[in-house]
Amino acid sequence: AQTVTQSQPEMSVQEAETVTLSCTYDTSESNYYLFWYKQPPSRQMILVIRQEAYKQQNATENRFSVNFQKAAKSFSLKISDSQLGDTAMYFCAFMRPRDDKIIFGKGTRLHILP
Amino acid sequence: DAGVIQSPRHEVTEMGQEVTLRCKPISGHNSLFWYRQTMMRGLELLIYFNNNVPIDDSGMPEDRFSAKMPNASFSTLKIQPSEPRDSAVYFCASSLTDDQPQHFGDGTRLSIL
Repeated sequence: AQTVTQSQPEMSVQEAETVTLSCTYDTSESNYYLFWYKQPPSRQMILVIRQEAYKQQNATENRFSVNFQKAAKSFSLKISDSQLGDTAMYFCAFMRPRDDKIIFGKGTRLHILP
Repeated sequence: DAGVIQSPRHEVTEMGQEVTLRCKPISGHNSLFWYRQTMMRGLELLIYFNNNVPIDDSGMPEDRFSAKMPNASFSTLKIQPSEPRDSAVYFCASSLTDDQPQHFGDGTRLSIL
């Protein structure tokens, strides 16, 4: 069975610093997708970044990038030059495309301090 | 810890029919969230409850959708009448409070024909 583990329930960093959120997963699938979602205090989910397992290149979206280590089954999110608006809960998710099964981690609450 | 339990796991029904999705949160959790996942729109929050009280239902797409939490151990999401565009995976999640890590259920895959 697939599992997604976010080992950091809560983190705090100073504004402008770089922060890395960890995510590990377990699967026997070779083809899958990985996602990071951001949930700000409004509670709406925002897709931050998406990675296809068959692509070796790490996905990047502006200040957000991932370190995808397929062999280690690790998918960490790096936020550079963190901003106050980055304060949110961040969820890591795994999706199996053959049946769209999706599994979420429990989330990491990130506080950006002024 | 039995986790968040959702039922049914799969639902296939014809448009116009009423659909009821069920969720049992983890015992002791005071917050419950309903989400909808589609490839086009990703994960959307529909509604969430604190202590059985709906706090924010602004994500509920239209009046055809309704959610209830009659007690701390049970919630339903109802669609009446259902339409093909409601086809999605619906997730329920619970947490100790609404800003704590959330435990997701396995989801209900809904197909409206």
